Amino acid sequence: DAKTTQPPSMDCAEGRAANLPCNHSTISGNEYVYWYRQIHSQGPQYIIHGLKNNETNEMASLIITEDRKSSTLILPHATLRDTAVYYCIDHGSSNTGKLIFGQGTTLQVKP
Amino acid sequence: EAGVAQSPRYKIIEKRQSVAFWCNPISGHATLYWYQQILGQGPKLLIQFQNNGVVDDSQLPKDRFSAERLKGVDSTLKIQPAKLEDSAVYLCASSQLAGGGTDTQYFGPGTRLTVL
Repeated sequence: DAKTTQPPSMDCAEGRAANLPCNHSTISGNEYVYWYRQIHSQGPQYIIHGLKNNETNEMASLIITEDRKSSTLILPHATLRDTAVYYCIDHGSSNTGKLIFGQGTTLQVKP
Repeated sequence: EAGVAQSPRYKIIEKRQSVAFWCNPISGHATLYWYQQILGQGPKLLIQFQNNGVVDDSQLPKDRFSAERLKGVDSTLKIQPAKLEDSAVYLCASSQLAGGGTDTQYFGPGTRLTVL
């Protein structure tokens, strides 16, 4: 079973920042926080990952709390094409590599 | 760089029939995964290959599902005989490194199977 919890759905206005929260209170010291998203009728797509420090790439920013029990994915200027299911996954180097997906958050970006 | 290719994209079969799905991972990727995604749920791992060896098949219903990865490249997943509850999207993913770990996975578009 997934070890992260996310709200089932969120709305965001186009052009605004989308802030997607994730709780991972049982994350262990060597586990990363990974974010993937799945646009309708496509396979999941990697977005970003982090261990302790905040991370930013061309797609998004990841803010991880100091105690590492929660994180927030930020899409700075959401577009209609960002409408998708967003999955937060805690993922460790000690496992075989499989991703354990929860239900994710369905983000609806509205015009 | 070409992505993960899967075929067919859609398949409709009667229960008790057999079906096979094909996956071609990104060139040079050592690890290949098959996931099953039932409508409304997140993907669930069925089997993981490292090169042509099985790393994890603990969630594969071995009485009806089989998979192989010949020569450590392409892979096929077979269901025989299919049941109604096998209706799902079957996703193939690959990652570059052997051993999985925290390596990024790249997913194909999936095959949508409907069992009637």
